[in-house]
Amino acid sequence: DSGVTQTPKHLITATGQRVTLRCSPRSGDLSVYWYQQSLDQGLQFLIQYYNGEERAKGNILERFSAQQFPDLHSELNLSSLELGDSALYFCASSVTGGIQYFGAGTRLSVL
Amino acid sequence: GDSVTQMEGPVTLSEEAFLTINCTYTATGYPSLFWYVQYPGEGLQLLLKATKADDKGSNKGFEATYRKETTSFHLEKGSVQVSDSAVYFCALILNSGGYQKVTFGTGTKLQVIP
Repeated sequence: DSGVTQTPKHLITATGQRVTLRCSPRSGDLSVYWYQQSLDQGLQFLIQYYNGEERAKGNILERFSAQQFPDLHSELNLSSLELGDSALYFCASSVTGGIQYFGAGTRLSVL
Repeated sequence: GDSVTQMEGPVTLSEEAFLTINCTYTATGYPSLFWYVQYPGEGLQLLLKATKADDKGSNKGFEATYRKETTSFHLEKGSVQVSDSAVYFCALILNSGGYQKVTFGTGTKLQVIP
């Protein structure tokens, strides 16, 4: 158990909808990272937050947004969903941006 | 920019065979290097790491040596088991602007057959 909790484990929704994925980092970790893993594109870094502030952006679409709350949990919001958004979404946390500890992921299926 | 290049998979080996998964990197500065493993249906887990040149990381029979002269961090195991079947990711961490930036390779799938 990495100590990083992601909910829900599975999410099935329809095109055009909006979903929210939640991540609770390891106790004491200030950084949260979001990744998208699909079969054809591998592991894609989306965004990083550090202590509530956005720190780095990767290949995140404008339809996607994230935030980190004062209690350090983070949410990834995906809107206007398309079939191609179906993927595994991972959250990871670290103390100051070093070794990352990954959650088990949320599998999103857009039908 | 910084990048990590891994050999393409899948790599298919028989049980007890020798494993090498190649990883090379490009970075401005002196990164720390990591191997992560992802078992089916799970998230990534840290397998081993090396923080400076000539360091050797090891865990669960896997080894990798930080080679600055060839900018490489190849993963090796002397005798693989079916339970080693997974996707392996090479990664680097580099200090950038006061914080640490992580770059992952694309992953190499390993299949070990009995």
